[in-house]
Amino acid sequence: EAQVTQNPRYLITVTGKKLTVTCSQNMNHEYMSWYRQDPGLGLRQIYYSMNVEVTDKGDVPEGYKVSRKEKRNFPLILESPSPNQTSLYFCASSLQQARDSYEQYFGPGTRLTVT
Amino acid sequence: GDSVTQMEGPVTLSEEAFLTINCTYTATGYPSLFWYVQYPGEGLQLLLKATKADDKGSNKGFEATYRKETTSFHLEKGSVQVSDSAVYFCALSDLGGGADGLTFGKGTHLIIQP
Repeated sequence: EAQVTQNPRYLITVTGKKLTVTCSQNMNHEYMSWYRQDPGLGLRQIYYSMNVEVTDKGDVPEGYKVSRKEKRNFPLILESPSPNQTSLYFCASSLQQARDSYEQYFGPGTRLTVT
Repeated sequence: GDSVTQMEGPVTLSEEAFLTINCTYTATGYPSLFWYVQYPGEGLQLLLKATKADDKGSNKGFEATYRKETTSFHLEKGSVQVSDSAVYFCALSDLGGGADGLTFGKGTHLIIQP
């Protein structure tokens, strides 16, 4: 089954404790991205990757890191989480870049709470 | 920069009612337009899209027409069902410069009552 998986689905952590949210896709997609969803703000892009070893900042990259060492995986790293990073996070993938109108496939989401 | 504006709701309708969710956009380039749907507890799924002016996207009884003159992409359905209850996001991708990704509206929560 074609899918995007994220782990964990739920995470409660404390300020400053480094964490990683994993994302994996099995569709051989070149393009992957991370979004955060906040009430009243919709979804905002954090980082994206056009291909292995190619990553770029989205609209709200501050406080986040990503890496793309393999085509299928695109982990999101919070080196020192803060309460304002409490949010619902979605990983997405598509065949190629978003501006070419390819369908984005979204994972089920990771709900992160930072206390 | 690019932006998408849509009613946030919640929008509450009875089953079999006609649905319209308005979406307008601003973009510096030549956007493609999308509607994504998010069912409770799930990620977003593409509902329909249109890539150029006057295109009509359609899927599962939903339709939207890309109107360049009014910069709009309103979502319509003739007869809604309880299973259509979800959050609907209008979005655009722009061939112009800047970060590559989708720009989303804030989402419209739709509730269909039996």
